[in-house]
Amino acid sequence: KQEVTQIPAALSVPEGENLVLNCSFTDSAIYNLQWFRQDPGKGLTSLLLIQSSQREQTSGRLNASLDKSSGRSTLYIAASQPGDSATYLCAVDSNYQLIWGAGTKLIIKP
Amino acid sequence: KAGVTQTPRYLIKTRGQQVTLSCSPISGHRSVSWYQQTPGQGLQFLFEYFSETQRNKGNFPGRFSGRQFSNSRSEMNVSTLELGDSALYLCASSLEFFGRGQLLNTEAFFGQGTRLTVV
Repeated sequence: KQEVTQIPAALSVPEGENLVLNCSFTDSAIYNLQWFRQDPGKGLTSLLLIQSSQREQTSGRLNASLDKSSGRSTLYIAASQPGDSATYLCAVDSNYQLIWGAGTKLIIKP
Repeated sequence: KAGVTQTPRYLIKTRGQQVTLSCSPISGHRSVSWYQQTPGQGLQFLFEYFSETQRNKGNFPGRFSGRQFSNSRSEMNVSTLELGDSALYLCASSLEFFGRGQLLNTEAFFGQGTRLTVV
């Protein structure tokens, strides 16, 4: 049974710092891995999708990597800004469903 | 291009009632999936539809059901509501296509959700 874990559960850093969020999964048989952000009380915004045979994807200040063999993905946020404050969730696509981590709540202090 | 639209945005129901939530996917997307989000359980998969066929179902009781219409719009229904059904219900749509290198692209796009409160 696929399980997804995100570490840390919460993170508070000063503005401008680079930071790394971690996601691990137990079964490497995935179609892809997707990172989302969720603002309080809102839906989910897709940030990056990494397909199963890809190693990384970049969008602006965000870079996500995928190592299927070790069951790990990282989301790197460069030069963090207060607007980056949100909960970040990773999800693995397995058999027509997304299986979710519990998320990392990120607070960027001005 | 319009995103995923969920209606209604907010709903208050009484225990024992039933409720129907609606999801209109992004134009051209044929896969629609539903998720329940609660503070205690996080995000959990309910079911997924593709071209009107349910391809996968999560571990929820039979009170939770869904369907998809020929225009890809989807509805989910919860009968005999319980207090524990209070949650944010999220719908996602996906295009599902084989892109470069024959990699299956299943990027999911979510609506804003329906906040259901059962009293």
